[in-house]
Amino acid sequence: DAGITQSPRHKVTETGTPVTLRCHQTENHRYMYWYRQDPGHGLRLIHYSYGVKDTDKGEVSDGYSVSRSKTEDFLLTLESATSSQTSVYFCAISQGGGNSPLHFGNGTRLTVT
Amino acid sequence: GNSVTQMEGPVTLSEEAFLTINCTYTATGYPSLFWYVQYPGEGLQLLLKATKADDKGSNKGFEATYRKETTSFHLEKGSVQVSDSAVYFCALSMEAGNMLTFGGGTRLMVKP
Repeated sequence: DAGITQSPRHKVTETGTPVTLRCHQTENHRYMYWYRQDPGHGLRLIHYSYGVKDTDKGEVSDGYSVSRSKTEDFLLTLESATSSQTSVYFCAISQGGGNSPLHFGNGTRLTVT
Repeated sequence: GNSVTQMEGPVTLSEEAFLTINCTYTATGYPSLFWYVQYPGEGLQLLLKATKADDKGSNKGFEATYRKETTSFHLEKGSVQVSDSAVYFCALSMEAGNMLTFGGGTRLMVKP
């Protein structure tokens, strides 16, 4: 398995609180991604990064921010969590290029009450 | 925009049955196409891919052929096993950044 670690694996938080999810890779891949997985929607891209301090929005970026200060770490922050952000969050990495596969972490299950 | 449509599941089969999971796509241009598999409690794993028309991707007995004329990338396996029970996702990629667009996923359950 690609060296991707997501933390925490599970989190329960209350509406309105800030939450940060962490993705750590040991593969030195340039690209990192945050997806959310919801029933019936497959996976939807939240934000991605194409290098240190270089990030961009995905399909469902509202309510989320990201930071990448080091190649190996990509943080996803919910500034003020809402119940609609209850989901399973997956980090993925890629060397880049249209044919390069994504390698996924094992996910973080977030519940906002 | 780009989109991927998969047949809804669950698909329930007996062991050794033939499997087809349909996938069609809409894209402006010529995407690369992928199938990913997700086992319970895990992230997605690449199963196979095809990067141009008429390419056939294959892995672990699964196959899919990139059909530009029908914009399809159906997944097939001749004889499924209980261990193939998982959720299967079809996806496409258009860009150098390799941002994938996923279908909704199809759950496969194989009974002994």
